[in-house]
Amino acid sequence: AQSVTQLDSQVPVFEEAPVELRCNYSSSVSVYLFWYVQYPNQGLQLLLKYLSGSTLVKGINGFEAEFNKSQTSFHLRKPSVHISDTAEYFCAVSEGPPGTYKYIFGTGTRLKVLA
Amino acid sequence: EADIYQTPRYLVIGTGKKITLECSQTMGHDKMYWYQQDPGMELHLIHYSYGVNSTEKGDLSSESTVSRIRTEHFPLTLESARPSHTSQYLCASSELGSYYEQYFGPGTRLTVT
Repeated sequence: AQSVTQLDSQVPVFEEAPVELRCNYSSSVSVYLFWYVQYPNQGLQLLLKYLSGSTLVKGINGFEAEFNKSQTSFHLRKPSVHISDTAEYFCAVSEGPPGTYKYIFGTGTRLKVLA
Repeated sequence: EADIYQTPRYLVIGTGKKITLECSQTMGHDKMYWYQQDPGMELHLIHYSYGVNSTEKGDLSSESTVSRIRTEHFPLTLESARPSHTSQYLCASSELGSYYEQYFGPGTRLTVT
């Protein structure tokens, strides 16, 4: 069965510093990978997605992620964070075969950007 | 920006009351989902639908029920609310195909006293 692991429940980082939020998945088939951001009292907003092709995916708000099949990882990065990036970040995986359209979400990583 | 709406945004209700959480989307998406999210926790899928008159239970057992009479509407009902139902409920929709991202509504934060 597929699963998603976000090892870091909280990541504090100073403003303008780089950040990496880790995501590992387990799946025996091809996967589609997503990162979502959730601001306080709001729903989830898609940051970026990997479907196929280039393993480096660029998203909104200056975020990017790299798909590493051998390490089954999809870590999220930003070279310089802002206070406004403080939010909860969720990694999700969807398996490829038709009929299996559900997402599996990780437990989330709370990014806190410090002034 | 995705056009998916949830009402109410916040609801405080007493034990034993019947409640319906509304979810509507204007994108014509066939697939719709309900997730339950407790503070600081992952999202758990409780119901999903692939189209009109199609509903399935998700990975997390829930006492709630859903219906899909119209493509754009996917309400969730609790016949008798209990304090254990206190949580945030997120509705989402997507096009058919697992490579299409899910669009989320703003959520309903339910408190049962």
